[in-house]
Amino acid sequence: QVQLQESGPGLVKPSETLSLTCTVSGGPFSTYYWTWIRQPPGKGLEYIGYIYSSGSTNYNPSLKSRLTMSVDTSKKQFSLKLSSVTAADTAIYYCARAGGLQLLSAGGPFDYWGQGTLVTVSS
Amino acid sequence: DIVLTQSPATLSLSPGEGATLSCRASQSVSRYLAWYQQKPGQAPRLLIYDGSNRAAGIPARFSGSGSGTDFTLTITSLEPEDFAVYFCQQRTNWPFTFGPGTKLDIK
Repeated sequence: QVQLQESGPGLVKPSETLSLTCTVSGGPFSTYYWTWIRQPPGKGLEYIGYIYSSGSTNYNPSLKSRLTMSVDTSKKQFSLKLSSVTAADTAIYYCARAGGLQLLSAGGPFDYWGQGTLVTVSS
Repeated sequence: DIVLTQSPATLSLSPGEGATLSCRASQSVSRYLAWYQQKPGQAPRLLIYDGSNRAAGIPARFSGSGSGTDFTLTITSLEPEDFAVYFCQQRTNWPFTFGPGTKLDIK
């Protein structure tokens, strides 16, 4: 069974950089689009972007100037860095997988998700 | 960006009743729309993809229909575990977007 697990600090100061890692287990890592999605508490889902297993990326234009994603295939991990954070970046951050179900699509559907990690931006 | 609008925002029903949830896109997404269920404290779970395909392990009481700009998620005979928030999501245009959700709660 494929499992994803987010890890990283739960509290980040304003203007600093939010860093999260997602570790994949129980399934293959190659040929998938590894995705980040966030959800402000009590609100809807926002698509952040993806990194393909080869390392190519695509970021939501709304966040593009502050985003960096990377991948470590040997560890089956991918990471997110979001710089210059503000309180508006406070959210539950989910990692998810796209490209499954033989659809090979970056846009999903997202068939496996991590449990999510709450990141609070506060001084 | 493609804007997805979901209606109603909240739907109050009783177990055993049927539910009809709507998702409308600001422009055509062809058939490339998915539905997710989210329970409190949990990650979303994929229910339906490409308009009408049930994901693995999803009960037959869940069905999806539609294409273009109008989509429907139908749940026949609600079970207690079906009361949750439902989101739609399109994968046609970049950036991929989600609807705001419909909360299905117990009447």
